[in-house]
Amino acid sequence: DQQVKQNSPSLSVQEGRISILNCDYTNSMFDYFLWYKKYPAEGPTFLISISSIKDKNEDGRFTVFLNKSAKHLSLHIVPSQPGDSAVYFCAAPTNTGNQFYFGTGTSLTVIP
Amino acid sequence: EAQVTQNPRYLITVTGKKLTVTCSQNMNHEYMSWYRQDPGLGLRQIYYSMNVEVTDKGDVPEGYKVSRKEKRNFPLILESPSPNQTSLYFCASSFDGSNQPQHFGDGTRLSIL
Repeated sequence: DQQVKQNSPSLSVQEGRISILNCDYTNSMFDYFLWYKKYPAEGPTFLISISSIKDKNEDGRFTVFLNKSAKHLSLHIVPSQPGDSAVYFCAAPTNTGNQFYFGTGTSLTVIP
Repeated sequence: EAQVTQNPRYLITVTGKKLTVTCSQNMNHEYMSWYRQDPGLGLRQIYYSMNVEVTDKGDVPEGYKVSRKEKRNFPLILESPSPNQTSLYFCASSFDGSNQPQHFGDGTRLSIL
């Protein structure tokens, strides 16, 4: 049972435009979410996170929005750059913080 | 340099031949974890460890063993590998689990024939 879902396997965006990556979750006990970015032949690297007490967190070009009622979060990248081309995973720890659930990933391609 | 190191990076082996993938971190992290990545399934957690001698099952522990005898090391053991364990494996660590971001190794690609 996939507790964290990313329904778009891939996304292509023109350089300079906005990229929006979506993530849905089923477990209402999740109260913290993280986004990771993964380049080929490398491990995932942490990008940005959000606590359920917030509905938005911003870090430079990256903003994550959380809609708790819809059990949905999204990652916005503005402006998109070719170096942003990677696979993006959303993740959530259980409320004990020990076990983690990751989505299936969205492959973003930013076209120069 | 802070890092998580996995070895080997690539391995092709045969069904039933025991293998160990090593993982070491130099950040004095309490929490370590193993994941496998498969197409269409994303990253799935195999085992995690909150501290030395403390390990717990993740979402897909069947067919795997782990040990945490030292803080820095967290090897993944496949006692009798099978083809369905062909995958890309990642080790990760964080300060204390909870909501801390994890640092990942660069992955180990295992092919079980």
